[in-house]
Order: sequence, then C-alpha cells, then structure tokens
Amino acid sequence: QSALTQPASVSGSPGQSITISCTGTSSDVGGYNYVSWYQQHPGKAPKLMIYDVSNRPSGVSHRFSGSKSGNTASLTISGLQPEDEADYYCSSYTSSSVLFGGGTKLTVL
Amino acid sequence: EVQLVESGGGLVQPGGSLRLSCAASGFTFSSYSISWVRQAPGQGLEWVSSISGSNSYIYYADSLKGRFTISRDNAENSLYLQMNSLRAEDTAVYYCARASGYGVLDYWGQGTLVTVS
Repeated sequence: QSALTQPASVSGSPGQSITISCTGTSSDVGGYNYVSWYQQHPGKAPKLMIYDVSNRPSGVSHRFSGSKSGNTASLTISGLQPEDEADYYCSSYTSSSVLFGGGTKLTVL
Repeated sequence: EVQLVESGGGLVQPGGSLRLSCAASGFTFSSYSISWVRQAPGQGLEWVSSISGSNSYIYYADSLKGRFTISRDNAENSLYLQMNSLRAEDTAVYYCARASGYGVLDYWGQGTLVTVS
C-alpha cells in the first residue's frame, strides 16, 4: 500500500487559483470514484473538503472543487484567501484500506 | 452535534502496550464505520484501521503486522485501539474519524498523542 503522490508545496497570491494533484494507480485513485480531500491547519484535526472526487460537504466554500482523470485526482481552490493557507491531503478508498497522499503545503503569498 | 473525543494517549516504553478510546456522541454510533488515522510529528496522515458499524468488517494497514486491534462497543458509543509491541515509529497523534461513505472521513476527533520512548 504505497501512499498517493502529491506535490510537497504549492503557492499562490490572494485571488488567484491553484491546483493540487494527487496521483495513484488503477488500484486506488483510478479504480474508484472515491477520492476525498482534507484541509489541516497547524495543530488542528483534518477537515473534509471534497468527497467522492467532486462533492462538497455542507458548509465548504464553492471555491473548492475536485476532479479526476485516470489515476490522477485534483483539488482546485479558486479566489485564494489567506485562511486557505494549510496542508491538504488527498485520500482514496480501496477495497480494504484508505490511502492518503503525502500532503501538500499551500502558502498564500 | 457530532463529537468524537479520543483519550488514552501518553508516554510508553518500546515494547509496551496502550489502549486508546474514542467516545462518540451526536449520531447513531452503530450505523457508521469508524477509522483510526495517525500522524507522526511533522509528517502526513496515515490510515491505521477501520471497523464497520456492526463489527462485521475490520481492516488494518499492512504496516501494523498484527500489533494493533480495533474494537467497538455500540452500547457505550465507544471505539478502541489496543496497541501492543509499540515501537518508536508508532509515535504520533492518533485520530478517530467517522466514515460516512467509501473512505469519506467526515468528522474527526481532536486526537490523542502517543509517545513511544
């Protein structure tokens, strides 16, 4: 069970859009439409931002969106705001586990 | 309001054991799978184990090699993680999280720190 691959860091200025990728295999990301994304601020528990590739839980801003193509899922944050600065993790359901990505640190310049 | 509260963390020597608990409230506990996820200091999230609402399905990360045991008491709305033969690399904050779908962890506790040293 290898972790999913995410870029270590991304950055953007307020108002801009950024995209974080999450690459797996046909046994996880590519095999199921069950990719989730989590936001984690320092010292806090993770928060669910996207589930089932592109669905937003109630209360999550429409600025957050998700997509998938083949074995790679993506999280896009539009209209960056200072409070978006955090770590972001993707995850994928498999038949017997949950795989997480290594995490991406988003810096809002 | 959905709440998950972990407890039982602390300092333990290598080779020792520890039992973590997760107290749930605000939802029908027996209707949901619950997972343990850990995060080593400065590192990313690592899924540890999941248990279905009815105790019918239990899964573990391969890396645990049989050292950890997940269980639940639906009458007490509680989840447990028995950790044996602890190693330094098990040092982490351990979170319990409710699963609302396939791998969808929609509510998380605040975590409990386990230090193996």
